[in-house]
Amino acid sequence: GMPVEQNPPALSLYEGADSGLRCNFSTTMKSVQWFQQNHRGRLITLFYLAQGTKENGRLKSTFNSKERYSTLHIKDAQLEDSGTYFCAGLNSGGSNAKLTFGKGTKLSVKS
Amino acid sequence: DMKVTQMPRYLIKRMGENVLLECGQDMSHETMYWYRQDPGLGLQLIYISYDVDSNSEGDIPKGYRVSRKKREHFSLILDSAKTNQTSVYFCASSLNRVEQYFGPGTRLTVL
Repeated sequence: GMPVEQNPPALSLYEGADSGLRCNFSTTMKSVQWFQQNHRGRLITLFYLAQGTKENGRLKSTFNSKERYSTLHIKDAQLEDSGTYFCAGLNSGGSNAKLTFGKGTKLSVKS
Repeated sequence: DMKVTQMPRYLIKRMGENVLLECGQDMSHETMYWYRQDPGLGLQLIYISYDVDSNSEGDIPKGYRVSRKKREHFSLILDSAKTNQTSVYFCASSLNRVEQYFGPGTRLTVL
């Protein structure tokens, strides 16, 4: 299967709603990064995690390397949260380290 | 303020022309990357550079070459561009080959 599988492919929320995105990895990843790609195409780094959970405002992300998944939770969704969210897993450290991206979750927040 | 820059931001070329995409970073990062992003897909790795004149193929290097003569600059070169190289190209840099910082992207159209 795909090395990084993101679900759902698309998501529609009303303002104020909560929701979660998920990435499943086919192999053990050393770390994960989450990005938001805005309407201008710019990639904004949301989180970098080597393990555990991080929070930043209305966003929270968890990475479980052993269980091979990561989640991104959005609380109280706002219009500006619209965009495409990508997770990317780092396969290893050292000279062979590279990020493998999922295909993204397209989020639309409606008023 | 850590920054990755890309020039130009938009470029239109004809098939068979040569293309030069430039990337710069002001963080003295050793490792730099070139990716391309096509509609509905995440980013795909073209080349990695571990330092000056130390470059390695990524997942889709065919049709591309790179040049890194100074640590802060990394160039992507398309000799005789093809229409299927129309894409958005992202550059990234990393201090420790773990967390990556991305530039704003270059939208290349090959007619």
